[in-house]
Amino acid sequence: SYVVTQPPSVSVAPGKTARITCGGNKIATKSVHWYQQKPGQAPLLVIYYDSNRPSGIPERFSGSNTGNTASLTVSRVEAGDEADYYCQVWDSRSDHWVFGGGTKLTVL
Amino acid sequence: EVQLVESGGSLVQPGGSLRLSCVASGFIFANYDMNWVRQAPGKGLEWVSFISGSSGHIYYADSVKGRFTISRDNSKNSLYLQMSGLSAEDTALYYCARETLREGLHHDFDHWGQGTPVTVSS
Repeated sequence: SYVVTQPPSVSVAPGKTARITCGGNKIATKSVHWYQQKPGQAPLLVIYYDSNRPSGIPERFSGSNTGNTASLTVSRVEAGDEADYYCQVWDSRSDHWVFGGGTKLTVL
Repeated sequence: EVQLVESGGSLVQPGGSLRLSCVASGFIFANYDMNWVRQAPGKGLEWVSFISGSSGHIYYADSVKGRFTISRDNSKNSLYLQMSGLSAEDTALYYCARETLREGLHHDFDHWGQGTPVTVSS
């Protein structure tokens, strides 16, 4: 089935911009959703359909999806953004939801 | 307020069976497609199974197909996961998750429960 690949970790200084990627074959033809998960908590939707923010999610979170790479960008990173982030796509060929392996965002 | 509360997780021996439940409140349960997602200790999210609001569409991850059965009772606002032939690889926190209500199938997961732990060990 379809495979999506995320870097295991991304580190960024406070106030800077973090970019987390989600790679997959022609992923731009799919809709990508992003979740944030902090330790001991359930995942939280932060971006849906590539670039849309649910209500309550800061504008600092944005998404894009082109070619073989989807991206979650966190601007003006804060200590509270430190978490694991997962991308998700629907694979219509296998009728499976697919999650990326997750990226740990560390705020230095 | 939307709430999803899972239960039924426990310690079970290899080869054993277990039934997980997820009780929903705060929304019209029958209108929403639902999923089970699991997370092994220290690992990432793994999708397990999907069921549409009417139970007309059901899908499973390859890792559980033939061993797990998803079902729902809309009159009880409840989602279930019947698990059998359990092995150590099934040890995980099991979440139920609601798909956002939009036209068509297969949308983002806008609400998640807090999970119920399943441990498979002798």
